[in-house]
Amino acid sequence: EVVLTQSPATLSLSPGERATLSCRASQSVGVYLAWFQQKPGQSPRLLIYDVSRRATGIPARFSGSGSGTDFTLTISSLQTEDFALYYCHQHSNWPFTFGGGTKVEI
Amino acid sequence: EVQLVESGGGLVQPGESLRLSCEVSGFSVGGNWMSWVRQAPGKGLEWVSVMYTNGNTQYSDSVEGRFTVSRDTSKNTVYLQMSSLRPEDTAVYYCAKGPNYDSWGQGDLVTVSS
Repeated sequence: EVVLTQSPATLSLSPGERATLSCRASQSVGVYLAWFQQKPGQSPRLLIYDVSRRATGIPARFSGSGSGTDFTLTISSLQTEDFALYYCHQHSNWPFTFGGGTKVEI
Repeated sequence: EVQLVESGGGLVQPGESLRLSCEVSGFSVGGNWMSWVRQAPGKGLEWVSVMYTNGNTQYSDSVEGRFTVSRDTSKNTVYLQMSSLRPEDTAVYYCAKGPNYDSWGQGDLVTVSS
């Protein structure tokens, strides 16, 4: 099983700051790495797929990068609505897996 | 407009069975990967299963042999048949579209408790 380790567990920042979230895989997942945002009481929302492709309607301040086993989600300038939980996910190897999440808080 | 609506959740006792439905609109379940993802109360996301366009399925180790995914293309609905339920299966169950989960349902709560 591919273990996805997200760090940090919690990121405390202020609006306007840059957020850098990490997702490390225990083995290569190729390009099949996605990022999701989840707010309390809501379903997850796709932000980034295939490492760096923004999903439809996702603002340009969200970007993804990385390859193989090390991946990064960057939010260039945090907006109030970006404070949420973020998960990475791989669908390269069975069983597909999610990371444990990073909470971005004010 | 793409929509996914889960139903069928509720409270069951350990060892019992339950079937969740995911009725979709705006796309075809037969033409897309359809996945189930669950989230235990206060916990993170856990992948449960996927059904590919050819009908093949994969399951997580934790549900393999107990859960079965099926679909009815005439009803544009995907099902998750859950048997031998355990307390640790308690979660909100989401269905999601495509390999990248670009659309999600609102989720349905399954509680397994005596």
